[in-house]
Amino acid sequence: GNSVTQMEGPVTLSEEAFLTINCTYTATGYPSLFWYVQYPGEGLQLLLKATKADDKGSNKGFEATYRKETTSFHLEKGSVQVSDSAVYFCALSTRNTGNQFYFGTGTSLTVIP
Amino acid sequence: DTGVSQNPRHKITKRGQNVTFRCDPISEHNRLYWYRQTLGQGPEFLTYFQNEAQLEKSRLLSDRFSAERPKGSFSTLEIQRTEQGDSAMYLCASSRGTASMNTEAFFGQGTRLTVV
Repeated sequence: GNSVTQMEGPVTLSEEAFLTINCTYTATGYPSLFWYVQYPGEGLQLLLKATKADDKGSNKGFEATYRKETTSFHLEKGSVQVSDSAVYFCALSTRNTGNQFYFGTGTSLTVIP
Repeated sequence: DTGVSQNPRHKITKRGQNVTFRCDPISEHNRLYWYRQTLGQGPEFLTYFQNEAQLEKSRLLSDRFSAERPKGSFSTLEIQRTEQGDSAMYLCASSRGTASMNTEAFFGQGTRLTVV
């Protein structure tokens, strides 16, 4: 079946620290991979995506590379800001399951000044 | 287009009552999804539509849950005889997809249901 496993939080970092949030997946078929972010009191927003192996998605200084050999899609940012404090969700979708999205449990990030 | 719109944003209901939520997707999107999110968890898939056809509903939590998308535009999610365990955030999302392509899903801000 399809599933996503994320590193558990919460994660607390100082401003300008390096961020990694691990995400691994299992999928039947060839998935597209996504990172969504949920800021306090807001809905889910797409952060970045990758649709095939070795693709790198990037946005707002965040990056993630689709690694088929390790079934991973780890999220990284070189220098976090207080405004990056949010919950981050890794997700996948596959055409053979009607493109429904499967989400991880989310990783809460708090960045302190 | 202002994105996916959900109404109401909050709903408090007494146990045993029926509730209905509405979702207006992005207008050119043919796919519409309903998810449930409980505290500390990721969104859990419930059902989805392609145009007006409900293509997957086996993940609806019980027969008290039903969804419609009568004209392939807006959708409603109904919960009958609500229980306290139904308290959660109900999310709607839409996307544009074909058999060979899938775009990202765009989410509404959700309807938070509290059953007392």
